[in-house]
Amino acid sequence: GESVGLHLPTLSVQEGDNSIINCAYSNSASDYFIWYKQESGKGPQFIIDIRSNMDKRQGQRVTVLLNKTVKHLSLQIAATQPGDSAVYFCAEKVEAGTALIFGKGTTLSVSS
Amino acid sequence: DTAVSQTPKYLVTQMGNDKSIKCEQNLGHDTMYWYKQDSKKFLKIMFSYNNKELIINETVPNRFSPKSPDKAHLNLHINSLELGDSAVYFCASSPTKGPILLNEKLFFGSGTQLSVL
Repeated sequence: GESVGLHLPTLSVQEGDNSIINCAYSNSASDYFIWYKQESGKGPQFIIDIRSNMDKRQGQRVTVLLNKTVKHLSLQIAATQPGDSAVYFCAEKVEAGTALIFGKGTTLSVSS
Repeated sequence: DTAVSQTPKYLVTQMGNDKSIKCEQNLGHDTMYWYKQDSKKFLKIMFSYNNKELIINETVPNRFSPKSPDKAHLNLHINSLELGDSAVYFCASSPTKGPILLNEKLFFGSGTQLSVL
């Protein structure tokens, strides 16, 4: 079954705002986490990943935060744009040799 | 373009038919996958192949048979299609680190929307 979930199924923001998408995971042994963006009619697209030996990683306009104490992962998008509108998935890898387990997804809607 | 490509993009068929979905990647990856996305957007692993060998098989009905003729291709054949098979099927690939299966940073195709009537 799924061990990764998201707090909110939908998130609506105004263009220019910062967005925070949250994800809770249940397996404390998970050592790798990843965020994907899926636009309508397309496949999931890699955004950013992080290993369990880190608590923060930054990309272009995106930051992933990992809190292992409470088993929480978040994706922060700075200056959200209409093109960021999509479904966002977090996924975890529980142990070596196992496949990524995906959460349920959060739909981000950006209005201009 | 370097990519994971799968065909067809749409597949509409009758219950009981047999159909195939093809997938090819030119990224040089050794590991390929099939994921199923249901109507609620939940993505679930079905199969994983590494260098043509089955690595992961997640309790998928044996009506689903993956075939990997070489490490760049992973096709999915489905026998006796059922209504519940309607979903979007995604092929993906990922790199390995020598003999180590990373199962990380998957690159996905654009999906095949299967509708069983």
